[in-house]
Amino acid sequence: GAGVSQSPSNKVTEKGKDVELRCDPISGHTALYWYRQRLGQGLEFLIYFQGNSAPDKSGLPSDRFSAERTGESVSTLTIQRTQQEDSAVYLCASSLSTGGRGTQYFGPGTRLTVL
Amino acid sequence: RKEVEQDPGPFNVPEGATVAFNCTYSNSASQSFFWYRQDCRKEPKLLMSVYSSGNEDGRFTAQLNRASQYISLLIRDSKLSDSATYLCVVNEGSARQLTFGSGTQLTVLP
Repeated sequence: GAGVSQSPSNKVTEKGKDVELRCDPISGHTALYWYRQRLGQGLEFLIYFQGNSAPDKSGLPSDRFSAERTGESVSTLTIQRTQQEDSAVYLCASSLSTGGRGTQYFGPGTRLTVL
Repeated sequence: RKEVEQDPGPFNVPEGATVAFNCTYSNSASQSFFWYRQDCRKEPKLLMSVYSSGNEDGRFTAQLNRASQYISLLIRDSKLSDSATYLCVVNEGSARQLTFGSGTQLTVLP
């Protein structure tokens, strides 16, 4: 079956512009996660969805970042007024079960470059 | 203090060598433990879960020491294809679900 997909794979934008990143999780996976990974660094948790609700938004770095999920499937991560420090790979993962016991399956990521 | 700490490496070892990675976690209430592997410019993928009694999967052995809050991964008879970054991952029991270490970079040399 299909894995987690993300689009676009690469995005180059100018500072100050808004960007929208998309994640399609594995069908039937109720949990969805967004992470950020800067070059040469580890994964930084951003937000977690259980179904369509987001019980944990604590990782969002600022109010320029927002995310939503509809229909317990597709999720979008929106970054408003992008800054150069937003440049990173944004990874989405989905999991069949919650509580940290389910394996997280990652998408290939969106590489965001803010000029 | 970081929640999950790993030696970043790099570890450069010859083919056939045995190499061990260590990881410590700060939250004693952590419930589940994993090792993920991330190839260069690729997404992380689950390598193996870590069970209390220790577990083995082929050339890979994982150990957990709850008293010391310490996890290890041993790779025997290393292959060129083992070259990657190995991520220690812990479920702290919070809504955040999983906390990733920064990873240990391994390069297996011919």
